[in-house]
Amino acid sequence: DVKVTQSSRYLVKRTGEKVFLECVQDMDHENMFWYRQDPGLGLRLIYFSYDVKMKEKGDIPEGYSVSREKKERFSLILESASTNQTSMYLCASSLGMREQYFGPGTRLTVT
Amino acid sequence: AQTVTQSQPEMSVQEAETVTLSCTYDTSESDYYLFWYKQPPSRQMILVIRQEAYKQQNATENRFSVNFQKAAKSFSLKISDSQLGDAAMYFCAYNRGAAGNKLTFGGGTRVLVKP
Repeated sequence: DVKVTQSSRYLVKRTGEKVFLECVQDMDHENMFWYRQDPGLGLRLIYFSYDVKMKEKGDIPEGYSVSREKKERFSLILESASTNQTSMYLCASSLGMREQYFGPGTRLTVT
Repeated sequence: AQTVTQSQPEMSVQEAETVTLSCTYDTSESDYYLFWYKQPPSRQMILVIRQEAYKQQNATENRFSVNFQKAAKSFSLKISDSQLGDAAMYFCAYNRGAAGNKLTFGGGTRVLVKP
């Protein structure tokens, strides 16, 4: 079975802190994604990557950056966390055009 | 830009009965993919069913089936013989089939199953 893991289930950070969210997949998928999930808004794509060191902006990239140095790992970085970045963050991976597999999510609270 | 709309924030169904979730989308593409994902409470998102736009036949997976109306840009999910384990958030998603496999999601519909 495909496994997508995220470094933390719950995270509390202070405004202005630099925050790293990590995602690891074990199925050699070339595509990886970061979404944020907010009630009533569904999932919105922040960034995605279709290859190592390759990244593209999604629909809401402002305030975020990403890093993909190895195929299995995709990191989301909040350079200076703000309260409006309090959300659930979901990582996903996929092989080609097949279904995306999701991680369990990280619930981030910025105070 | 593509948009996906789920007009029902919440649906309630009696165990063993049928519920239909609606989804409409906006696109100018002719080839694309549509999905329904399920997110149980505090659990990971999983794929329920997938439909390729070029296929006229509606997809079916056990108790889950879709009604895909391409001209109307409608993609509803029917859950038959509802079970308690079907209680979850359901998300409709669109993928235009380009490199990178980006998904656009609807806002979600919460399904409650009454015993």
